[in-house]
Amino acid sequence: AQSVTQPDIHITVSEGASLELRCNYSYGATPYLFWYVQSPGQGLQLLLKYFSGDTLVQGIKGFEAEFKRSQSSFNLRKPSVHWSDAAEYFCAVGAGTGGFKTIFGAGTRLFVKA
Amino acid sequence: NAGVTQTPKFQVLKTGQSMTLQCAQDMNHEYMSWYRQDPGMGLRLIHYSVGAGITDQGEVPNGYNVSRSTTEDFPLRLLSAAPSQTSVYFCATTDPTPDTQYFGPGTRLTVL
Repeated sequence: AQSVTQPDIHITVSEGASLELRCNYSYGATPYLFWYVQSPGQGLQLLLKYFSGDTLVQGIKGFEAEFKRSQSSFNLRKPSVHWSDAAEYFCAVGAGTGGFKTIFGAGTRLFVKA
Repeated sequence: NAGVTQTPKFQVLKTGQSMTLQCAQDMNHEYMSWYRQDPGMGLRLIHYSVGAGITDQGEVPNGYNVSRSTTEDFPLRLLSAAPSQTSVYFCATTDPTPDTQYFGPGTRLTVL
């Protein structure tokens, strides 16, 4: 069965420090992989997605993610975190069927300290 | 372009009451979905639609009804509200090429 695991419920990083949010998935075929961000009181916004090709994908707001098939991972990274990055981040895996088979992880809440 | 809009933003119901959560989109997407978000559980799919007149159940459909009479609107009805339906509800549309979802701002529902 499909599943998405985000091992860290919350992470705290200092402003200016690097960030890595972990995501592991279980999927039988080549997955469609996504990272979404949710600011407080807002809906989810797509940060980046991977379908095929280059395994390092660039997204908005300076984020990137790397697909590692051998590790079933799709970790999100940012070299220097800004206070405005404080939010909840969701990893998701889909089947390319219009979103209805998309499974979301439980989310990782990022706190940024000055 | 308003994208995906949801009303109301907040709602408090008593057990047994019914209500409709509204969702509208102006992106002309055929695919629309309703999710609920609960702490520590991510998003769970309630119902979805692949076009006007076509709906189907998702992971957690019990206690909810949907209909899709137009491409733009996809209302979610709570038939008889229960405290277990206290949650934040998100409507989303999908651009199927390539499977990218666009979410509304959500409705925070409390059932007492």
